[in-house]
Amino acid sequence: DAGVTQSPTHLIKTRGQHVTLRCSPISGHKSVSWYQQVLGQGPQFIFQYYEKEERGRGNFPDRFSARQFPNYSSELNVNALLLGDSALYLCASRPGLEVWGELFFGEGSRLTVL
Amino acid sequence: AQKITQTQPGMFVQEKEAVTLDCTYDTSDPSYGLFWYKQPSSGEMIFLIYQGSYDQQNATEGRYSLNFQKARKSANLVISASQLGDSAMYFCAMRNPQGGSEKLVFGKGTKLTVNP
Repeated sequence: DAGVTQSPTHLIKTRGQHVTLRCSPISGHKSVSWYQQVLGQGPQFIFQYYEKEERGRGNFPDRFSARQFPNYSSELNVNALLLGDSALYLCASRPGLEVWGELFFGEGSRLTVL
Repeated sequence: AQKITQTQPGMFVQEKEAVTLDCTYDTSDPSYGLFWYKQPSSGEMIFLIYQGSYDQQNATEGRYSLNFQKARKSANLVISASQLGDSAMYFCAMRNPQGGSEKLVFGKGTKLTVNP
């Protein structure tokens, strides 16, 4: 079975541009989360979506937005890019809203903002 | 506020030896879960082991075990019989099941290098 897949794997943008990152969860998983990992740090929670509804939001500005589609795939959008948005963006999925249980992560999209 | 502290930026271990990676946490919630993830250079976060705050016994998964000391708020990862493939970043993380969010709070990580 395929794991969590993310695209693109690498991309370079300039300040002020917009970026869209895509994520396909593991088949049967309905919950998708996004994390930002800046170099030298642990991942930071951005969003969680379940059944197309936002279930959680981290401490990120409104330039960050996301959505989940009927097939449970998800997009993360970042507007007006800043140099500080350069990071590895990780997508993770889970079957549902179980209280406990592991998150399954993709390999991430590495964004460089120049 | 929830916080995870990993005080070892880097650790070195000889192949086939055991190594302990430290993790302390801070939370005021009585119910929480603690996780360890491995991140190789590819970037993917690989789940290793989980410990619930109400679990009576320390978690074990193959060569991985979690030394859970609730009173000290520590959840150290022990890797036995290290292998060259264990070289990677290791992250400790915590989740509090409030509001249904599955937000994980991560530490800064420890870079483990296994020497032949």
